Amino acid sequence: KNEVEQSPQNLTAQEGEFITINCSYSVGISALHWLQQHPGGGIVSLFMLSSGKKKHGRLIATINIQEKHSSLHITASHPRDSAVYICAVGTSGSRLTFGEGTQLTVNP
Amino acid sequence: NAGVTQTPKFRVLKTGQSMTLLCAQDMNHEYMYWYRQDPGMGLRLIHYSVGEGTTAKGEVPDGYNVSRLKKQNFLLGLESAAPSQTSVYFCASRVSWSTDTQYFGPGTRLTVL
Repeated sequence: KNEVEQSPQNLTAQEGEFITINCSYSVGISALHWLQQHPGGGIVSLFMLSSGKKKHGRLIATINIQEKHSSLHITASHPRDSAVYICAVGTSGSRLTFGEGTQLTVNP
Repeated sequence: NAGVTQTPKFRVLKTGQSMTLLCAQDMNHEYMYWYRQDPGMGLRLIHYSVGEGTTAKGEVPDGYNVSRLKKQNFLLGLESAAPSQTSVYFCASRVSWSTDTQYFGPGTRLTVL
């Protein structure tokens, strides 16, 4: 079993829909990261959180440390949100462990 | 700031050939990482460095070597390329450990025939 599990693997939505991507992990962590990989391949960091909730524009990330679970929400989704969303956890030291990613497609 | 840059962007090698991938960052970051990304798998750590002159093995180090002679540069070498090393390689850097954001380079697509 992977240390970081994401669901769903693939998600197709219509423009305007509310989207949720889930991430579960099985190890103790110092922080959890959400990353976005654009269709062209570039990877950018969206959020880093160790407790509670963070919001940036239409994106919201939450984490429940006790349940070892995080969610990434996208409100009022748009075709430009189409990308792979990656969850990663930082454990002790300097390394991250990555989930396999969720491919999101938002249709107009 | 250019951020994190990688050279080259694309490369095709024949089995047994060698090459070096260059990662450069201009953010004065201490930590640098080399990952590979393969279909159906998450990013996997090859090697990393926590400072100039230091390197450490990651999850999948076999067949690769690295060097960090200057703080801003992290080199990944393939001494004798194999088809199993066909992948997209990403470099990343961050200020220090634990809870800092990682900044990624644009990736290098390597094909080994």
